[in-house]
Amino acid sequence: GAVVSQHPSWVICKSGTSVKIECRSLDFQATTMFWYRQFPKQSLMLMATSNEGSKATYEQGVEKDKFLINHASLTLSTLTVTSAHPEDSSFYICSARRETGDGYTFGSGTRLTVV
Amino acid sequence: RKEVEQDPGPFNVPEGATVAFNCTYSNSASQSFFWYRQDCRKEPKLLMSVYSSGNEDGRFTAQLNRASQYISLLIRDSKLSDSATYLCVVNTRGAQKLVFGQGTRLTINP
Repeated sequence: GAVVSQHPSWVICKSGTSVKIECRSLDFQATTMFWYRQFPKQSLMLMATSNEGSKATYEQGVEKDKFLINHASLTLSTLTVTSAHPEDSSFYICSARRETGDGYTFGSGTRLTVV
Repeated sequence: RKEVEQDPGPFNVPEGATVAFNCTYSNSASQSFFWYRQDCRKEPKLLMSVYSSGNEDGRFTAQLNRASQYISLLIRDSKLSDSATYLCVVNTRGAQKLVFGQGTRLTINP
């Protein structure tokens, strides 16, 4: 079945540093990648949608200069949290939409802790 | 108002019980409906899609009422392994993104 590999699984970083999260589709081409954030006991909130080769579309309230998304190929999308602060600590999950059908495949998530 | 609303629970039920979750959505243009299951600190996983005529998958039954904009999930003969958070998810016609409800936390007790 379709698999999206997300790395790292967890990361602890110091306030002010940047963290890059990668999502790679292993056996299919992901035309669209969605990036979500989930705070404890809350639902997944969509941050942005990216299509290969074009700029990402950010949801209202999400700072595009802080959360940099790159979708340079059909198999790789990255999210970089720049100048991370403790309030950015969250569970970040990517989801890829396959070229065929309506399937959505989720990465395993990245737990970010900013200290 | 949230686009997808669920009772967050928690629900604590004994093993073998039948439990039902409800969900309402506000966008009448919503086209596709799903129930996802999320275990603690894990990614959500598709449990089942929800069709207008209602559908069943083993112990799980999902129903959709478009007029009331209401979705339900019924779990029969619950197992300990059913303990998880259940997410109601909708997709709007013409849009690619999924909109998630807050999730309902379920704990099955031995």
